[in-house]
Amino acid sequence: GAVVSQHPSRVICKSGTSVKIECRSLDFQATTMFWYRQFPKQSLMLMATSNEGSKATYEQGVEKDKFLINHASLTLSTLTVTSAHPEDSSFYICSAAQTQGFNQPQHFGDGTRLSIL
Amino acid sequence: AQTVTQSQPEMSVQEAETVTLSCTYDTSENNYYLFWYKQPPSRQMILVIRQEAYKQQNATENRFSVNFQKAAKSFSLKISDSQLGDTAMYFCAFMKQSGANNLFFGTGTRLTVIP
Repeated sequence: GAVVSQHPSRVICKSGTSVKIECRSLDFQATTMFWYRQFPKQSLMLMATSNEGSKATYEQGVEKDKFLINHASLTLSTLTVTSAHPEDSSFYICSAAQTQGFNQPQHFGDGTRLSIL
Repeated sequence: AQTVTQSQPEMSVQEAETVTLSCTYDTSENNYYLFWYKQPPSRQMILVIRQEAYKQQNATENRFSVNFQKAAKSFSLKISDSQLGDTAMYFCAFMKQSGANNLFFGTGTRLTVIP
């Protein structure tokens, strides 16, 4: 089946630093990638949708300057949390789809647990 | 706007028994898709089953089946012959047919299978 690799799986860093999370589709080309945030015991909240070669579309309330998304190739998207603060601590999950639409389901990465001290 | 509601935060079932997880949704769309995802302790989201809204026949995948009631906007998941490996968070999700294939998730139901 389709495999999505997310790295790192866990990161702990000091307040004020920037953290980059990578999402790779290993055996398929992902036209679209999605970034979600999941708080403890809560659902996944879509942060942004990125299409290869174009700017990401952010959901309402998500600061695009805070959460930088790059989708430079069909197999890689990155999420950079800039100047991270403790309130940014969360579980971040990416997913990838080959194309738009139902027949190309989203394949999820294993997630990244981000802890800001 | 689309909303997905899962009214059961936690459920438990004895191994080999059957359990039903409920999900309701609200949308003005006529054509859409519904999903159940499983998130085990390893945290990776796994697609369990999906349903096209235009299909009246309920989807089935081995031990997993759904009861889709379009008029009631209800989409419940039935797990038969529950196994210990079914222990996980289960999320109901909605996707519009047109436009971007964003998934809207419910708040999840934590299912524990008891040996």
